[in-house]
This record gives sequence, structure tokens and C-alpha cells, in this order.
Amino acid sequence: GAGVSQSPRYKVAKRGQDVALRCDPISGHVSLFWYQQALGQGPEFLTYFQNEAQLDKSGLPSDRFFAERPEGSVSTLKIQRTQQEDSAVYLCASTSAGTNYGYTFGSGTRLTVV
Amino acid sequence: QQQVKQSPQSLIVQKGGIPIINCAYENTAFDYFPWYQQFPGKGPALLIAIRPDVSEKKEGRFTISFNKSAKQFSLHIMDSQPGDSATYFCAASSLSRGYQKVTFGTGTKLQVIP
Repeated sequence: GAGVSQSPRYKVAKRGQDVALRCDPISGHVSLFWYQQALGQGPEFLTYFQNEAQLDKSGLPSDRFFAERPEGSVSTLKIQRTQQEDSAVYLCASTSAGTNYGYTFGSGTRLTVV
Repeated sequence: QQQVKQSPQSLIVQKGGIPIINCAYENTAFDYFPWYQQFPGKGPALLIAIRPDVSEKKEGRFTISFNKSAKQFSLHIMDSQPGDSATYFCAASSLSRGYQKVTFGTGTKLQVIP
């Protein structure tokens, strides 16, 4: 596609519920990133994929967070047993190579945990 | 710890004014310094970027000034327009685990008054 597509745009989850957020990167982009952006803050790194390999998951805040990209294109970020502190915008970005400097971001998924 | 410090948190200027946003970093391994612009409900978009061997870069009305010895850099917006009203993030990137990992500042919300 022309840009990075994320769905859903908005998600309201009850505390304790599991959620799955989807990212469809630009076609052919091998590198994919997930960032978490709290209200009024800058994006914080969560994890990085090169094709289907998750090469860096150092930013995942707890073992409730899990990301996958099984076929090297679409990626899913899953959050189990959501907590209120998980409320944030989750941004996905892609680039054609991991050594590229400029990321193309999607519009994000706003997650609200009530 | 916050690796990229950004100020001010918010800024209001009149149309035609020159807003200046400042950033500082500590990690000398950073080798690329992009600025991102984010409109409400959208993901950050790459605006302009500079490498540390250059002291200034200009693209249209946007200029980055870079002071390597002081580990500081700033964004100037010449002849600012209401359409420039957005949140601006400075960032710094370094090669980490074989890919360019981007670390963001906390953002500056700019409002340009007509």
C-alpha cells in the first residue's frame, strides 16, 4: 500500500481483557517497528522486526506484551490482561532497510483501558 | 533515563515569527538527528534531518542548527504559518543490533496564531 496502515484506529478494552493491534507496513519494507506513545509524550521504542525475525524486543514493558510478524509483512502487537497504564497510542513504522534513518509511521491505534 | 531532552514543552508564536525548539543529548554514539512533525490523530512524519559532521541544514523554511561539542541541536521555522501548528519531536539515532534505532524527545507543541 501507499502508507503504513494500522487497525483498529481506536480500541477500548476493559481491564484484564486481551487486545490485538494490527500493522500493515509499506509493501516491500523489511524493517518494522512498534512504538508506544503516552499522552503528551514522545514515542517510546517497543520492538523491531527484520522480515519475520524479531531482532530487538528490549522495549516491551512486560511479558504481557507480545509481537509477531510471521510472514515478514503484517505484524500484530498483542497485549494480554490489559492494565490502565497500557492506555496509549501504539504506533507502527516501517522502512526499507534497518540501516535506513527515516521511518514512515502509521496513524496509530489509540488504546484506552477502562 | 531520558536520552534526548527537548524544550520548550509548548510554544505560541504569531504568524511570520521564528519558533525555535532546542534539544540536547548525551550519547555520543548517536549519528543521525531527525526531526518529526506530528498532527493530531496522525503518526509522526519525518521533516528534516542532520548528521553530526554538518553544523546547519536548511530545507525550505526549516533549518537545523547542530553544535557537536555542546551536544545540542535546534529547529528553526522561518516565516511560520498557522499550518505549521503541530507537535515537533527531535530524535537521535544510532546503530544498535544492526539497525538504526531512533530515540525521541518529549515533544514541543507549537501553535502559530494568525
